[in-house]
Amino acid sequence: QVQLVESGGGVVQPGNSLRLSCAASGFTFSTFGMHWVRQAPGKGLEWVAVISNDGNDKYHVESVKGRFTISRDNSKNMLYLQMNSLRLEDTALYYCAKTDCDSTVCRLLDSWGQGALVIVSS
Amino acid sequence: DIQMTQSPSTLSASVGDRVTITCRASQSIDHWLAWYQAKPGKAPELLVHQASRLAGGVSSRFSGSGSGTEFTLTITYLQPEDIATYHCQQYHTYVTFGQGTKVEIK
Repeated sequence: QVQLVESGGGVVQPGNSLRLSCAASGFTFSTFGMHWVRQAPGKGLEWVAVISNDGNDKYHVESVKGRFTISRDNSKNMLYLQMNSLRLEDTALYYCAKTDCDSTVCRLLDSWGQGALVIVSS
Repeated sequence: DIQMTQSPSTLSASVGDRVTITCRASQSIDHWLAWYQAKPGKAPELLVHQASRLAGGVSSRFSGSGSGTEFTLTITYLQPEDIATYHCQQYHTYVTFGQGTKVEIK
């Protein structure tokens, strides 16, 4: 069955960097687009980024553009989110999620991980 | 951007009750709406897609309806294992979520 396991979360000071990883198993990873979604404390879910199955297309929410980068390594079945210049408002539980098709227009999230907690604090 | 407004934010009901959660879109999204169930410490699960299609393995006590801008998720015969936060998501234009509805047992 599909399994997504996030790692790399932690406590970091404002302005610093962190890289989240998502290990995928139970499906043909290279076939599907992947997303990152986050949930700040007490808030609803917020979409963060999407990447196509081959990694050639990617999009990020406006609030993280230029700071966060989604990427993937299909040879390792891994999804990544490189987060630079972190801000207090980036504090959240970050989920990786699988879509139901291959491109960045695939936006139905049919499997999710349990999340990785990122706390930005001075 | 398409805004999604979910109500209520918290719902308290008894085991066996029928509960309904509403999600409104700021503009028409046709039937491109999904519902997810999220429990603390667990991966969120897809319940319903295309407004009314039940995801595989989901209990038939869950049902979705609506189109355009108004959507509902109904849980019949509420069970203790249904205690969770429910999120609607539009995927007509990019991705946006509602604020979530926390379902509690009275």
